[in-house]
Amino acid sequence: ETGVTQSPTHLIKTRGQQVTLRCSSQSGHNTVSWYQQALGQGPQFIFQYYREEENGRGNFPPRFSGLQFPNYSSELNVNALELDDSALYLCASSPGQTYQETQYFGPGTRLLVL
Amino acid sequence: RKEVEQDPGPFNVPEGATVAFNCTYSNSASQSFFWYRQDCRKEPKLLMSVYSSGNEDGRFTAQLNRASQYISLLIRDSKLSDSATYLCVVNIGSNAGNMLTFGGGTRLMVKP
Repeated sequence: ETGVTQSPTHLIKTRGQQVTLRCSSQSGHNTVSWYQQALGQGPQFIFQYYREEENGRGNFPPRFSGLQFPNYSSELNVNALELDDSALYLCASSPGQTYQETQYFGPGTRLLVL
Repeated sequence: RKEVEQDPGPFNVPEGATVAFNCTYSNSASQSFFWYRQDCRKEPKLLMSVYSSGNEDGRFTAQLNRASQYISLLIRDSKLSDSATYLCVVNIGSNAGNMLTFGGGTRLMVKP
């Protein structure tokens, strides 16, 4: 296993609500990335944090926000949920931020917005 | 145009067959290249990195053609356990972060 964990595994919310998803990276991994995977599609990059600072963002609106903590845990927050936010949310960690490094994925949180 | 394009399949092959997947990418600044495997309702897992010189890992061979911006994966002697979705992945490696860009995946089904 990758040593990356995520919680919860499944979540059901209604439109307009807010949600917080959590990720625990491998010890020593200073970079965490979050991805959204809609059904039948490949994962899409949301943003990345390195040493608690956001250092890259994909094409997602500001209602998607995150935090990274010194203990290698991180959060993805989504405000004003929309039906299209229903997806598998994956976090991935790596030791640094160079392109050569492998990113290790957690099992994901499956979010359903009704 | 999508940044990473793959044939979605499905590819239905018998056990023991050889199957090849292709992928094209649009950003010539892409720095690193990978194939990930994703089983149904699971997270993606790294299958192999892809290098210009080509690389092999058992029954799996990956090739990169930077001039054509083309990546391939060859699976020989297919096993039932190879049934999965194969994701072609590139990493631009810019100052915008260590961002992986995924293709939509190619679904492989190996039949007895």
